[in-house]
Amino acid sequence: AQSVTQPDIHITVSEGASLELRCNYSYGATPYLFWYVQSPGQGLQLLLKYFSGDTLVQGIKGFEAEFKRSQSSFNLRKPSVHWSDAAEYFCAGGRGNEKLTFGTGTRLTIIP
Amino acid sequence: DAEITQSPRHKITETGRQVTLACHQTWNHNNMFWYRQDLGHGLRLIHYSYGVQDTNKGEVSDGYSVSRSNTEDLPLTLESAASSQTSVYFCASSEPDQEREVRDEQFFGPGTRLTVL
Repeated sequence: AQSVTQPDIHITVSEGASLELRCNYSYGATPYLFWYVQSPGQGLQLLLKYFSGDTLVQGIKGFEAEFKRSQSSFNLRKPSVHWSDAAEYFCAGGRGNEKLTFGTGTRLTIIP
Repeated sequence: DAEITQSPRHKITETGRQVTLACHQTWNHNNMFWYRQDLGHGLRLIHYSYGVQDTNKGEVSDGYSVSRSNTEDLPLTLESAASSQTSVYFCASSEPDQEREVRDEQFFGPGTRLTVL
């Protein structure tokens, strides 16, 4: 069965520190991969997406993600976090059939 | 600007009542989806539609129904609300253009928080 796993339920980082959120996928073939961000009380906003080609993908708000086929991973990174990055982050995968499978999310807390 | 809206944003109801949550998109997307979001489960797909008159069950469809009479709207109905259906509900849409580089990208509404007492 297709699945997306986010191993970390909650991560706390200091403002200005680097960030890496983990995402692993299990699909029969390489899926389309997405990272979404959800601010409190809001809907989900797309940060970035991967289909094929360059394995390092740049997104909005200074985020990037790297696709690693050998590790079945699509980790999200940011070199220096800001207090406004505090939110819930979701990784999702699709296989071109229009449906997405979401991970359970990682809640990011930023401390001053 | 095109958008996707949900109403109401907050709803409190009683067990056994029928409840309908509205979702309206002006993207003119053919695909629409309903998810519920619960702590520890992320987003789980309830129902989805690939076009007018088309509806499909997702992984947690029991107790829910949808109908698609036009492109813009996909209302979600809880036939007889249960406390287990207390959740935040999100509607999303996407465009199945075969020529786009990346399909499956979904656009989300702001959510409806439903409490069943």
